[in-house]
Amino acid sequence: GAVVSQHPSWVICKSGTSVKIECRSLDFQATTMFWYRQFPKQSLMLMATSNEGSKATYEQGVEKDKFLINHASLTLSTLTVTSAHPEDSSFYICSAGVGGGAGNEQYFGPGTRLTVT
Amino acid sequence: SQQGEEDPQALSIQEGENATMNCSYKTSINNLQWYRQNSGRGLVHLILIRSNEREKHSGRLRVTLDTSKKSSSLLITASRAADTASYFCAVSGNTPLVFGKGTRLSVIA
Repeated sequence: GAVVSQHPSWVICKSGTSVKIECRSLDFQATTMFWYRQFPKQSLMLMATSNEGSKATYEQGVEKDKFLINHASLTLSTLTVTSAHPEDSSFYICSAGVGGGAGNEQYFGPGTRLTVT
Repeated sequence: SQQGEEDPQALSIQEGENATMNCSYKTSINNLQWYRQNSGRGLVHLILIRSNEREKHSGRLRVTLDTSKKSSSLLITASRAADTASYFCAVSGNTPLVFGKGTRLSVIA
């Protein structure tokens, strides 16, 4: 149980275009989902917390107008990287909290590797 | 910041040996979690230990938590080549998980 999927697994896009990444909880409802970014050989950095039916909470330094997050339902959150640039190339990972609280166990998606050329 | 810091940064052992990784943190926590990440893949949750627990077992994994020292350890017994991965601790207080930089474990067959 507690499976989280991400789509696509990898994407290559041209600079200036937008890319949407989906995160789905397959067998449970996730009131809260989290989006992380990971650069090579680095740790995961939390970008934002996504709550169903409300605006996402962004971490300091993360541009909310560039990284649009929508938590449309209890099983789906999307991250759209707008006007992507090569420096946005990274591994994006979502997670869904089990138990409703941020401090509870989280299940992670397999990640999406974004390459902006 | 509640970021956990893993130690060592990298560890290489022979198959069958035990691997111990440590995590230290700076603030009060609700729980501490350990995750594994294979290269280029997502994270796999290994174990969660709450602040009122001192030790927890799961298969070949043993996790300890010492809140007085603000530290935790992850022990993998009888390691296998398939255990080769990066291991992260993540601490949680009243905010979302904050991850340390990880320990890269290499198990040599």
